[in-house]
Amino acid sequence: DAGITQSPRHKVTETGTPVTLRCHQTENHRYMYWYRQDPGHGLRLIHYSYGVKDTDKGEVSDGYSVSRSKTEDFLLTLESATSSQTSVYFCAISEVGDREATYGYTFGSGTRLTVV
Amino acid sequence: GNSVTQMEGPVTLSEEAFLTINCTYTATGYPSLFWYVQYPGEGLQLLLKATKADDKGSNKGFEATYRKETTSFHLEKGSVQVSDSAVYFCALRPTTTGWGKLQFGAGTQVVVTP
Repeated sequence: DAGITQSPRHKVTETGTPVTLRCHQTENHRYMYWYRQDPGHGLRLIHYSYGVKDTDKGEVSDGYSVSRSKTEDFLLTLESATSSQTSVYFCAISEVGDREATYGYTFGSGTRLTVV
Repeated sequence: GNSVTQMEGPVTLSEEAFLTINCTYTATGYPSLFWYVQYPGEGLQLLLKATKADDKGSNKGFEATYRKETTSFHLEKGSVQVSDSAVYFCALRPTTTGWGKLQFGAGTQVVVTP
């Protein structure tokens, strides 16, 4: 879906290096999320944002930080990449927040990150 | 806490066979329930949803009924096609205040052979 774009699509990096993944949306949605997908675990929430400069931790936030300086961009940074962070990372957006539970999310195509 | 449990895969079946993927949940209150589908190399797409007990969500020949008495939301399709090969995720979104984020099951891979 052209409304949400993740970059890069694939990345290989070395242990200990910082890595930043970008999520860009053109839908002007307020809520943005970063998930990681691992076999046997489904998708797990890393961080989320409920507005510009408003972010909070998810269930697996250790080793990750995020920033949102504009509505359309949500960046995920691995401060010092480790092999356990090898995963597929998905960004998602939502027009409405937690109280509107009848709405789902729209997902990007994912970034496959390998830490060697 | 809230959780979603799906049947493990892979589920392998022939074209035109009947598909069922079991999903049960644990949640307080009355969550909304979703099925997402992930085709190879792509992100997740919303397949269907149900927002209250006894609701039936349907899309592309798939159906799921929100059963509060059994806390289940099983996905069914009467006649699968090769193009239905994908990973299917059951998810819930709690309606209690605070933690209203989507929570996913582990996913079930479905392989349909010609």
